[in-house]
Amino acid sequence: AAGVIQSPRHLIKEKRETATLKCYPIPRHDTVYWYQQGPGQDPQFLISFYEKMQSDKGSIPDRFSAQQFSDYHSELNMSSLELGDSALYFCASSRTNSYSGTGVSTEAFFGQGTRLTVV
Amino acid sequence: GEDVEQSLFLSVREGDSSVINCTYTDSSSTYLYWYKQEPGAGLQLLTYIFSNMDMKQDQRLTVLLNKKDKHLSLRIADTQTGDSAIYFCAERAGGYQKVTFGTGTKLQVIP
Repeated sequence: AAGVIQSPRHLIKEKRETATLKCYPIPRHDTVYWYQQGPGQDPQFLISFYEKMQSDKGSIPDRFSAQQFSDYHSELNMSSLELGDSALYFCASSRTNSYSGTGVSTEAFFGQGTRLTVV
Repeated sequence: GEDVEQSLFLSVREGDSSVINCTYTDSSSTYLYWYKQEPGAGLQLLTYIFSNMDMKQDQRLTVLLNKKDKHLSLRIADTQTGDSAIYFCAERAGGYQKVTFGTGTKLQVIP
C-alpha cells in the first residue's frame, strides 16, 4: 500500500540558508500535517492543511511557511535557517470524509521524516 | 487542554510483559494511538483505538482505554529485545484535527 512520501530524506544546510521539504500524502488523503521533532523530544505540531486551506497552526516560526497544492502534496519552506532548526521533520496525512456529513475520518499516517541538519 | 503525559522510562526483562501508561486531558479525543520510534527512525503506527472502545487486542499488543479517567495503556506480551524503542501515546479529536503526542516512554528490554 502507498504510504506518505517525504523528500528529501536527509538535508544539510548552512545557517541563514533556505530549505524546502516536500510531502506527498497517501492517495485520496486530503489533509496533511507537519511536525518537528528535536533530539530527544516528542513531535511538535507545526501546521496542517485541509483541502488546500490551512486548518490549524501550532508552533511554527514566522521564518517557516507551508502550503498544500492542488494535487494535495505539501511543501514546508524554511528560511534564515538556524542551528536550532536541526531536527526530524515529519509529514502525516489523513482523509477527512465530509461527504456523508458524519465527519468520519481515518487515522493519520506518518512519513519516514526528513532529517535536517543545519551547520 | 491537549496535554498527553507518559512516564519517561520502562525497563523489562525479555519474555516479560510490558505495560506503558498514558494520560490525556482532551475529552474530545476520538482516536488514541500508540506509535513506536526506533533510534533515528520514523514513527511507526502500532495500533489505535476509538474512544467508544475500551479494549483492543492485536497479536502481542493489548490497548486498554479508561475514558472516564482518560487513561490509556499499551501492554506488550512476551517482550522481545526488538521491542526496545520509544513509544509515543497520541490523541486526535478527528476530522482534520492534529495528532498530539505524549512525551514518549523509552522501553528498554534486558536480555
